[in-house]
Amino acid sequence: EPEVTQTPSHQVTQMGQEVILRCVPISNHLYFYWYRQILGQKVEFLVSFYNNEISEKSEIFDDQFSVERPDGSNFTLKIRSTKLEDSAMYFCASSKSKDYGYTFGSGTRLTVV
Amino acid sequence: AQSVSQHNHHVILSEAASLELGCNYSYGGTVNLFWYVQYPGQHLQLLLKYFSGDPLVKGIKDFEAEFIKSKFSFNLRKPSVQWSDTAEYFCAVTLHNTDKLIFGTGTRLQVFP
Repeated sequence: EPEVTQTPSHQVTQMGQEVILRCVPISNHLYFYWYRQILGQKVEFLVSFYNNEISEKSEIFDDQFSVERPDGSNFTLKIRSTKLEDSAMYFCASSKSKDYGYTFGSGTRLTVV
Repeated sequence: AQSVSQHNHHVILSEAASLELGCNYSYGGTVNLFWYVQYPGQHLQLLLKYFSGDPLVKGIKDFEAEFIKSKFSFNLRKPSVQWSDTAEYFCAVTLHNTDKLIFGTGTRLQVFP
């Protein structure tokens, strides 16, 4: 069964550093998403991406965050200057269409120290 | 603001017991409804979804859920749980014309043999 692949599985970074979280969506999917889950809290929507542009973003997704699909396969989330409160599990997801339902990746645990 | 409530935070059952996990949402318009499961150390997996039609939805592993529009509910059920059902269960909705998933806080299910 096709999978969404995320790397790394765990990243530790110092406050103020830039991090890039990587995702390889399922190859024939067209919609891409990032979600995050702070420990003990809900899974929260960050951003959706379609046709090489952001289609929707949440209040969390401020100027410190950006997404990119640099080639035909990768989908990245960049946090420019990490804060302690960015520590969370970040999930990438992809979908064939809006009504199809997502496939999630296994997540990247980001720890900011 | 739209929200999803899962009132059972932690459920403990013995094998063969029946399961019902509650999910309520607050939104007056058309919704799509989902249940996701996250087994320990794994990614979010889709259990079942409701978009339209028969409000009783069958999913994988003998799970089912019933959409009751008048109660804004989408409770998850399984007649007989197994030890392997130990996991975290998330209810989620998307609102009409969006594909942003709004998650509940999750219910941790522990099944003892």
